[in-house]
Amino acid sequence: AQKITQTQPGMFVQEKEAVTLDCTYDTSDPSYGLFWYKQPSSGEMIFLIYQGSYDQQNATEGRYSLNFQKARKSANLVISASQLGDSAMYFCAMKESQGGSEKLVFGKGTKLTVNP
Amino acid sequence: NAGVTQTPKFRILKIGQSMTLQCTQDMNHNYMYWYRQDPGMGLKLIYYSVGAGITDKGEVPNGYNVSRSTTEDFPLRLELAAPSQTSVYFCASGSDINTEAFFGQGTRLTVV
Repeated sequence: AQKITQTQPGMFVQEKEAVTLDCTYDTSDPSYGLFWYKQPSSGEMIFLIYQGSYDQQNATEGRYSLNFQKARKSANLVISASQLGDSAMYFCAMKESQGGSEKLVFGKGTKLTVNP
Repeated sequence: NAGVTQTPKFRILKIGQSMTLQCTQDMNHNYMYWYRQDPGMGLKLIYYSVGAGITDKGEVPNGYNVSRSTTEDFPLRLELAAPSQTSVYFCASGSDINTEAFFGQGTRLTVV
């Protein structure tokens, strides 16, 4: 069963506008963490933002914010004031604990293109 | 800071050959992971480890083996390479569930 679902294979946004990238997750573990990573065309994985399952407030990091809706099991990434350099693949990931061990699983990603 | 170091960066293997992808981290992280990323796809977990001497299978372990004899090193072994193993392989490490995983630069493997 898919643990992390990203339903948008590709998204387009105009420079300086905001964009929301969707992510839903599935877990029965009460303690988990949600992450977003950016992968530019050069291939490296860049950590953007983290949300813990017990965090009361939505996480923010500069132009990135995470719209965490626990009851809906969604953790959407919001990028404000898009820049051309934001064009990349974006991956949602979840860390979950199972039987004392923890693993990090990824969604299939969303390709974001920022148009000038 | 070196972070997570993977070697080699590129490799071409013939069908049936074997090789070891090296991964080492200098952050004293307990958790380490191996992923593969096929073209245009997300990352699939191959194996992971929560500490020295402990390894677990991920989503796609077939055709691979790992070991974790030290905290720093987490090599991935391919036995009898197959074209289906052509992919980019990423190693990552992390300290606990509340912090991000740090990734290596990746190894691009082609099996012909």
